[in-house]
Amino acid sequence: EVQLVESGGGLVQPGGSLRISCAASSFTVSSNYMNWIRQAPGRGLEWVSVMYSGGATYYADSVKGRFTISRDTSKNTLYLQMSTLGADDTAMYYCARGSCGGGRCYLDSWGQGTLVTVSS
Amino acid sequence: SYVLTQPPSVSVAPGQTARITCGGNNIGSKTVHWYQQRPGQAPVLVVYDDRDRPSGIPERFSGSNSGNTATLTISRVEAGDEADYYCQVWDSRSDHYVFGTGTEVTVL
Repeated sequence: EVQLVESGGGLVQPGGSLRISCAASSFTVSSNYMNWIRQAPGRGLEWVSVMYSGGATYYADSVKGRFTISRDTSKNTLYLQMSTLGADDTAMYYCARGSCGGGRCYLDSWGQGTLVTVSS
Repeated sequence: SYVLTQPPSVSVAPGQTARITCGGNNIGSKTVHWYQQRPGQAPVLVVYDDRDRPSGIPERFSGSNSGNTATLTISRVEAGDEADYYCQVWDSRSDHYVFGTGTEVTVL
């Protein structure tokens, strides 16, 4: 059974940095399109970033230049390094596996999320 | 950027049919996917490729897509269907996923 477990969330001060993790089991992170999606309290889903199996990365405009997606193949884990954090970055962060082909992509498996709170 | 618009809320009595729309410019030319998010839980894929269901999703969930509107239909609604529902497309020009604004389904 595919499993994604996020960790590393917590309280961080404005302007600070944080790295969150997503450990995968039953499939290989580096062979898949892996994503981060976030959801601010009481709000909708916002896609944040993707890393393709070949290593290419893409980011939402709201985080470009501040967030970096990466992976560790030996740990089968996806990461999101977040810097220059602001209150608008407060959200539950989910990792999800993408399924792509034929000009379309969807997210077939999701983790339970890790909460990041930016506050002084 | 591409925008997907959903009604904020839909109410339906048990046993009836709920229809959730997702509006976008010529969305019929794109492939639409739907997610269910129960309170306090992570999203779950319920329909992909406009109308297909992942294993384990009841046949009561179905989808369609044409023109400027995609629709998720939930037949014979049950109390357990009460959740937020999001549509999603992939913007190939930017390699970005785009989510709809979300619809809260309330079972009366």
